[in-house]
Amino acid sequence: GAVVSQHPSRVICKSGTSVKIECRSLDFQATTMFWYRQFPKQSLMLMATSNEGSKATYEQGVEKDKFLINHASLTLSTLTVTSAHPEDSSFYICSAPPGTSGISTLKQETQYFGPGTRLLVL
Amino acid sequence: QKEVEQDPGPLSVPEGAIVSLNCTYSNSAFQYFMWYRQYSRKGPELLMYTYSSGNKEDGRFTAQVDKSSKYISLFIRDSQPSDSATYLCAMKADYKLSFGAGTTVTVRA
Repeated sequence: GAVVSQHPSRVICKSGTSVKIECRSLDFQATTMFWYRQFPKQSLMLMATSNEGSKATYEQGVEKDKFLINHASLTLSTLTVTSAHPEDSSFYICSAPPGTSGISTLKQETQYFGPGTRLLVL
Repeated sequence: QKEVEQDPGPLSVPEGAIVSLNCTYSNSAFQYFMWYRQYSRKGPELLMYTYSSGNKEDGRFTAQVDKSSKYISLFIRDSQPSDSATYLCAMKADYKLSFGAGTTVTVRA
């Protein structure tokens, strides 16, 4: 079953509004989570690393004031797209490494992905 | 030069054929190697995970890693239409994953 969930799965909003996307680890605690963006027929582009209890680390070229990340607890990270514009329309995916979860079926050194959130800004 | 190179395809095979996918990489620090399967409009799903050179088999899937050549492969035997998806290779050195471009595979019934 799924080990990482995302909500909402799809959102349509007007230009200028803010949208919040939630990412939850279901079976383990995640001190680190990752946020990716994916354009059609392209691979995943890492946007930022979300760290529980501290500031997120953003990749080069990603505006931190545009994409606000809050790692509220050991199982929840949120990405807020502020003042969204049509060019922000994309597929946003989060992931979490299970680390030392103690769950034998999870691979410690990899990442498990959420189902993704499709954002359409009109 | 990208850290991870993967032919995006597309690759089309008849049902029952063997699907062969591969990636090359340049960073010798990569220690962990993964293959993810991604269906359209879904998040990637972990398919195979290896951390050493050699072969690893799981059902119809076989992953190969050759660290000396910096080359990894994924083979899908007896391919099914349900295997139609994009397959992404991923590698890890520290805490981030580096992805290939993904290969889109279509298995024709």
